[in-house]
Amino acid sequence: DTAVSQTPKYLVTQMGNDKSIKCEQNLGHDTMYWYKQDSKKFLKIMFSYNNKELIINETVPNRFSPKSPDKAHLNLHINSLELGDSAVYFCASSQDRGGNTEAFFGQGTRLTVV
Amino acid sequence: AQSVTQLGSHVSVSEGALVLLRCNYSSSVPPYLFWYVQYPNKGLQLLLKYTSAATLVKGINGFEAEFKKSETSFHLTKPSAHMSDAAEYFCAVTKRRGGGNKLTFGTGTQLKVEL
Repeated sequence: DTAVSQTPKYLVTQMGNDKSIKCEQNLGHDTMYWYKQDSKKFLKIMFSYNNKELIINETVPNRFSPKSPDKAHLNLHINSLELGDSAVYFCASSQDRGGNTEAFFGQGTRLTVV
Repeated sequence: AQSVTQLGSHVSVSEGALVLLRCNYSSSVPPYLFWYVQYPNKGLQLLLKYTSAATLVKGINGFEAEFKKSETSFHLTKPSAHMSDAAEYFCAVTKRRGGGNKLTFGTGTQLKVEL
């Protein structure tokens, strides 16, 4: 059973398109996250939701919009895709928002914008 | 603001040799500290974490790390490297309060294990 699953695993799309990445966790966790890993493997948080409430919103272009229909799901919608959006996007979840809580990561979605 | 510095973007060791991956943090208050491992084309997996219990923390796969406040360090070690340890290793910190469990990562160290 996959704990944190993302779809799709690979996404190739043209500039200007709109795309979504879906994430689901079956761990019963309250908190979910989106992280972006760039081509140099640097990881940076984008968003975090706790029980469907947005709690972290880093400096991310407003073309990126997270949506949490319930606490087991956190989707990421990206409008007007740009070349610079090419990266690996990781979804993660943790039991709660405490700083000492382990985060469980999905396998990642490799987005390539051409 | 918190930050993490990992010295050495690439480390190469022989199989059976000691593994030492360096991590130093910068924070006004000692943070929580983590080491995550990323195998090729996979997500991140927690190796170990320091949350202010014992300063020597043991993790999975034979790894351990020691929190040294005086040196603001949290270096990762393993006595004997195995070929399966080849991966990218990330040190990360979170705030003790008010951070919402936001992980701030270092730039990563790629570990290569040679025969």
